[in-house]
Amino acid sequence: QKEVEQDPGPLSVPEGAIVSLNCTYSNSAFQYFMWYRQYSRKGPELLMYTYSSGNKEDGRFTAQVDKSSKYISLFIRDSQPSDSATYLCAMLGRGFGNEKLTFGTGTRLTIIP
Amino acid sequence: SAVISQKPSRDICQRGTSLTIQCQVDSQVTMMFWYRQQPGQSLTLIATANQGSEATYESGFVIDKFPISRPNLTFSTLTVSNLSPEDSSIYLCSVQGSNNQPQHFGDGTRLSIL
Repeated sequence: QKEVEQDPGPLSVPEGAIVSLNCTYSNSAFQYFMWYRQYSRKGPELLMYTYSSGNKEDGRFTAQVDKSSKYISLFIRDSQPSDSATYLCAMLGRGFGNEKLTFGTGTRLTIIP
Repeated sequence: SAVISQKPSRDICQRGTSLTIQCQVDSQVTMMFWYRQQPGQSLTLIATANQGSEATYESGFVIDKFPISRPNLTFSTLTVSNLSPEDSSIYLCSVQGSNNQPQHFGDGTRLSIL
């Protein structure tokens, strides 16, 4: 079993829809959770990161962590064609600089105009 | 966040040759990392580039195949040696500004082996 599971998609939704991207994990020690966005032929770009459980909002993006279920989500409201990319979740336990990141395989998202 | 420049952006190499990839950051950073990204797979950490000392390699990666240099706090190189078709992949540099910050990535080097 992989430490982090992420549905690879592809996921296609119409413009303006709410998108839900998800990851599940098995390591209960994970406390820091990140979402990266990767456009074609580009490197991963950090979108958001959260510590422990709860929600964090940044514009159209909301990151949600449920540690009891070992489940994290990224919601995109009012989705735009420019949101079309691969979204990677990543996580670690003891903090930045203390251990390596564990990544999901990424979900490829297409927003249809 | 730091601006990360990675060169070359892509290359096509012959079997048995080597390719050196450069990663330059516009500010001093604490940590620099090298990853491999293969289609359908999660990012795999190759090694942590340590300034002034030997890199720390992850399981399955060895210095003879992936020699790494980090002469200062803004620059690192990864060499992929004795290239074979299995080395065709995207190689990514990432940096961490300080111990309480997440990693940021360069745009990667797309390597194909003939």
